[in-house]
Amino acid sequence: KQEVTQIPAALSVPEGENLVLNCSFTDSAIYNLQWFRQDPGKGLTSLLLIQSSQREQTSGRLNASLDKSSGRSTLYIAASQPGDSATYLCATSMDSNYQLIWGAGTKLIIKP
Amino acid sequence: EAQVTQNPRYLITVTGKKLTVTCSQNMNHEYMSWYRQDPGLGLRQIYYSMNVEVTDKGDVPEGYKVSRKEKRNFPLILESPSPNQTSLYFCASGRRTGKGETQYFGPGTRLLVL
Repeated sequence: KQEVTQIPAALSVPEGENLVLNCSFTDSAIYNLQWFRQDPGKGLTSLLLIQSSQREQTSGRLNASLDKSSGRSTLYIAASQPGDSATYLCATSMDSNYQLIWGAGTKLIIKP
Repeated sequence: EAQVTQNPRYLITVTGKKLTVTCSQNMNHEYMSWYRQDPGLGLRQIYYSMNVEVTDKGDVPEGYKVSRKEKRNFPLILESPSPNQTSLYFCASGRRTGKGETQYFGPGTRLLVL
């Protein structure tokens, strides 16, 4: 059974730093992997989706990588800003049926 | 504006008093789902629906009911709430894109069962 882990559970860094969030999964036969952002009171927003055949995806200051063989994905945030403060969740899909297996998230705080 | 709406946003109730959390989407999505989120755990799926009149159990369906009579609405029903159902609940709808399945989430409903 797929298990998704995100460590650390919380992270606090000064504004302007580049940072990496980690996501690991136990079953490498994934269909895709997604990174979401969760803001209090606003639900979850999809940030990046990496298909199993891809190695990375980029959107603005965000870059997500995928290494299926090692069961790892990273979310790189460049030049962090206080507005990046949120909880970031990763989720894997094992096939094309919308079913997602979620990590517990990393709560990120960017200090001004 | 394309969105998923949930009501109520916050709810305090007592054990055994039936309640319904409504979910509505205006994007004509076929797929809809309910999740619960508890501290230290990832989102866990309660029920999902691939289309009107088609619903299936997720990972934690006990104590919950759903219905999908219309494409846009997917209410979550707690017939006899218990304290272990205190949680943050999210409704989502989804569509298929060229890259895979994308889900859109409501703002969440925070439920406290006393």
